[in-house]
Amino acid sequence: GQNIDQPTEMTATEGAIVQINCTYQTSGFNGLFWYQQHAGEAPTFLSYNVLDGLEEKGRFSSFLSRSKGYSYLLLKELQMKDSASYLCAALDSNYQLIWGAGTKLIIKP
Amino acid sequence: IAGITQAPTSQILAAGRRMTLRCTQDMRHNAMYWYRQDLGLGLRLIHYSNTAGTTGKGEVPDGYSVSRANTDDFPLTLASAVPSQTSVYFCASSDSGQGTTDGYTFGSGTRLTVV
Repeated sequence: GQNIDQPTEMTATEGAIVQINCTYQTSGFNGLFWYQQHAGEAPTFLSYNVLDGLEEKGRFSSFLSRSKGYSYLLLKELQMKDSASYLCAALDSNYQLIWGAGTKLIIKP
Repeated sequence: IAGITQAPTSQILAAGRRMTLRCTQDMRHNAMYWYRQDLGLGLRLIHYSNTAGTTGKGEVPDGYSVSRANTDDFPLTLASAVPSQTSVYFCASSDSGQGTTDGYTFGSGTRLTVV
């Protein structure tokens, strides 16, 4: 079956760096998305990776290893506003998005 | 402000009642989607529409129906609500269909409680 695994919850300190991991098993693969979702709000698009390697966007970076079925989202210089859930989603061979349950990130002062 | 509008924001519904969740977008996106989000589970696709006039079933379509009469509107109907349909419902859209690499735009959600 198709599956996305990511940690349920993580805690980090303001100003620090945190890495949120995601492993995926899908029938075929056409890329991986990361979304941010604040409590009670809609998910918002952060990044898309289809090739191996690191993509950097300001304080946020996303990495993909297709051979390992693995991705991570790296958040630098953490701010209190980064407290949110981070959703990993893989696009399978039929271009269906398979979603992880999300990682709740708690930032402490 | 361009985006997706969902209504109502929240609703408490008696079991057995019929309910339509409304979704309107003003970005002229071709594809639209309905998801439900439950605690501890990922977003699950209920129905989708790649373009006006066409619809398709997602992962969890039972008990739900949709229509896509025009580009902007994509209502979701629960014919006879059951408690297991208690969830947060998100409508989303994308410019180029399910294969898009641009990401989806989501509405703010409808929190539905069926009692």
